[in-house]
Formats: sequence, structure tokens, C-alpha cells
Amino acid sequence: GAVVSQHPSWVICKSGTSVKIECRSLDFQATTMFWYRQFPKQSLMLMATSNEGSKATYEQGVEKDKFLINHASLTLSTLTVTSAHPEDSSFYICSAGRTGYEQYFGPGTRLTVT
Amino acid sequence: EDQVTQSPEALRLQEGESSSLNCSYTVSGLRGLFWYRQDPGKGPEFLFTLYSAGEEKEKERLKATLTKKESFLHITAPKPEDSATYLCAVQGDGSSNTGKLIFGQGTTLQVKP
Repeated sequence: GAVVSQHPSWVICKSGTSVKIECRSLDFQATTMFWYRQFPKQSLMLMATSNEGSKATYEQGVEKDKFLINHASLTLSTLTVTSAHPEDSSFYICSAGRTGYEQYFGPGTRLTVT
Repeated sequence: EDQVTQSPEALRLQEGESSSLNCSYTVSGLRGLFWYRQDPGKGPEFLFTLYSAGEEKEKERLKATLTKKESFLHITAPKPEDSATYLCAVQGDGSSNTGKLIFGQGTTLQVKP
């Protein structure tokens, strides 16, 4: 149990375009989902926390208008990188929270902006 | 401010050579301490949750322990497939409503055959 999926696993887009990444909890309902960014050989950096049906809470320094998060249901959250630029290239990982405080992570999405 | 420090940053072991990874933490009211394993290019894989000092959990060659200031991940007779980055994270009272985790920088373990 506790499986989280992400789609796509990797994406290449041109500068100025928008990209949407989906995060799904497959076998449990997640009251809270989290979005992280990870640079090579670094730990995870929390970008935002989202609860179903409410606005996401962004960490300090994360641009709300660039990284749009929607948590439409207890099993689905989406991250849209708007007007992407090469500096947005990174490994994006989502996680879903369940009772007992554990977070279960998705496999990640590698974004490359050319 | 909640903080997590892991040591060493990198660890090289020979197959069968047991060792321990350290996770030191400062947190306002520990709600849980978590260990994850992360392979290159993949998301972290959940290993253990520890809730109170004195608690221990085991899974195959891994054993996690917890005191009031630190946690250890003991690896007994490691195999090459145990090579990965091990991440430690805490959740404190301040973030209990959101579930936010504070991560350490990780320990990258390499086990040579």
C-alpha cells in the first residue's frame, strides 16, 4: 500500500511554455500533498503544501504565480510551471500524507527547459 | 528553529562491513522522526517512523533507533544493493497541522562488493 504516482516521469519543454505535473495517491486518500524540488546532490526543498479544496501554502521564496498548485481531490494534486525558463529545470517530487504522519513520495518528474 | 543534521555526508563500506548513520535534530516537540532511502533519479522510499526516545524499528539489514537528540540508522552486513542516499526528517509540534517535514542533507552510502 501507500503508492504515489507522478506523471510525466520526464518532460522537455521550450522556454516560455507551461508544463503540468500530476501527482496521484493510488491506494489511499491523502489529506495533504506536498511539492518538493531537488537539485543534483542536494536534499529536498519544500515548495508548497496543499490541502484538498483549499489554496496551497507556499514556502518563502517560492513564486506563487509561477508554480501553480491545484489539489482537486483527495487523490490528485497538480503542479503547473508557468512560463518556464531554463532555471526552472529540476527534479520535482510530490508526496502525499496519511494518518500517522508519514509522507509517501512519488517517483519524481525530471523537467528540462530548453 | 527546527533543524536536522546528518553525518557523515558520504560513507564507503565493504560488503559485510557494518556501520551506523547519524541524524541529530533540534525540534520543538517531536511528533515523528522519519528515515527514507533515495536512489539516484527516484523519489524517496519510506523506511521507518520513530515517535519517542527509546523506540527501535528493524527492516532486513536496517535498524533505526531514537534518543531525545539523535537517531541512528544501523546497517548490518550491508550488500551492494544497500547503496543509496539515506534521508532523515523530523516533524515537530509547529508543523503538526500541516505535516511539514524538515529534512537533513542525507548520507550517501556506497557498498563495494
